[in-house]
Amino acid sequence: QSVLTQPPSVSGAPGQRVTISCTGSSSNIGEGYDVHWYQQFPGTAPKLLIYRNNNRPSGVPDRFSGSKSGTSASLAITGLQAEDEADYYCQSYDNSFVVFGGGTKLTVL
Amino acid sequence: QITLKESGPTLVKPTQTLTLTCTFSGFSLRTSGVGVGWIRQPPGKALEWLALIYWDDDKRYSPSLNNRLTITKDTSKNQVVLEMTNMDPVDTATYYCVYRPSSLGSGWYSAWGQGTLVTVSS
Repeated sequence: QSVLTQPPSVSGAPGQRVTISCTGSSSNIGEGYDVHWYQQFPGTAPKLLIYRNNNRPSGVPDRFSGSKSGTSASLAITGLQAEDEADYYCQSYDNSFVVFGGGTKLTVL
Repeated sequence: QITLKESGPTLVKPTQTLTLTCTFSGFSLRTSGVGVGWIRQPPGKALEWLALIYWDDDKRYSPSLNNRLTITKDTSKNQVVLEMTNMDPVDTATYYCVYRPSSLGSGWYSAWGQGTLVTVSS
């Protein structure tokens, strides 16, 4: 059981907006630790998607955005595309140790 | 361009010690603030952070695996080594080497190796 809770799956039609939540507690996200997001396609290594809550690395489309409030964070994807179908993981810290969410599988209908 | 590559055995027996080597390029572990770590992922499951070593040799370990892990670096060879003792079938996973850039506060992993699948079986 992961310290950070994500929905196992979300889905949306092309062009729609979807959000993936990452729920923590007062010892991690609520403590003020930043949240980062990774995208993983089957059989490949994860790739950094969002860092420090709402920052995109070079090359990541602005359709991807992150936010954080209280003990939770969210990843939003607008203008959903077929190639966005992947697993998404949030990452933060808990008592100074790195923790991940359980991952969310995004299906593009 | 930062690259990392994991190497080591693909099959280990229960109770054996696993030794994985990460060979990297595109940065130096002498640079203040940077780190190299290990993350694993059992088949079909979530990511699990294992360990991290910083440029100044500060080391951090997962609390749940602390007594089984040792991470070391060889800066001259651009390598980081992870040892995990007393391997068990539940340790079967893809092991990733990762790069942590210099940052204040909660760090992130901006580059990942391709991963190496380690199977624990007799």
